[in-house]
Amino acid sequence: EDQVTQSPEALRLQEGESSSLNCSYTVSGLRGLFWYRQDPGKGPEFLFTLYSAGEEKEKERLKATLTKKESFLHITAPKPEDSATYLCAVQGKGYSTLTFGKGTMLLVSP
Amino acid sequence: NAGVMQNPRHLVRRRGQEARLRCSPMKGHSHVYWYRQLPEEGLKFMVYLQKENIIDESGMPKERFSAEFPKEGPSILRIQQVVRGDSAAYFCASSPYEGYEAFFGQGTRLTVV
Repeated sequence: EDQVTQSPEALRLQEGESSSLNCSYTVSGLRGLFWYRQDPGKGPEFLFTLYSAGEEKEKERLKATLTKKESFLHITAPKPEDSATYLCAVQGKGYSTLTFGKGTMLLVSP
Repeated sequence: NAGVMQNPRHLVRRRGQEARLRCSPMKGHSHVYWYRQLPEEGLKFMVYLQKENIIDESGMPKERFSAEFPKEGPSILRIQQVVRGDSAAYFCASSPYEGYEAFFGQGTRLTVV
């Protein structure tokens, strides 16, 4: 059974204070690892897909990296508008559905 | 290009009533997924459909829950005889191809009173 564990559960940063969120996973053959952002009362918003160890993707202040056991979402010089819950999900080979972690709730204070 | 549309956004049902949740995928997307999010829990897969076919329903409770994605019209998630434990946010996602990135709607928040 696929499993995804995200840490920390919650993270409080000052504006401009860089940090990383962790996503550890076990899956029998990784097809893709996905990062989403979810604001309160909204649906998840797609950020990145990573397919193989060593791959990196960037978008504005966010950079996602992938190893064979975990993924990191690095946030550089965050702003208050980056406050949200960040969700990690894995997709195993042979099927299309996603297994999600419980998320990391990020709060960036001005 | 409009995103995934779900309605209603909020739904209140009394115990024993039926709930119907609708999802219109993004234009050009023929793959639809339903997920449920309970408080303090992550998103849980329920069912995966393509037009007129259920591909994977392994995450859906065997009783009271059903889903369809007809040739014409939105996908429907139907919950019969709702109970308090069905209260949750239900999200629909769609993708253009099998295994491709899925884009989510804003969800339907079901409250059973």
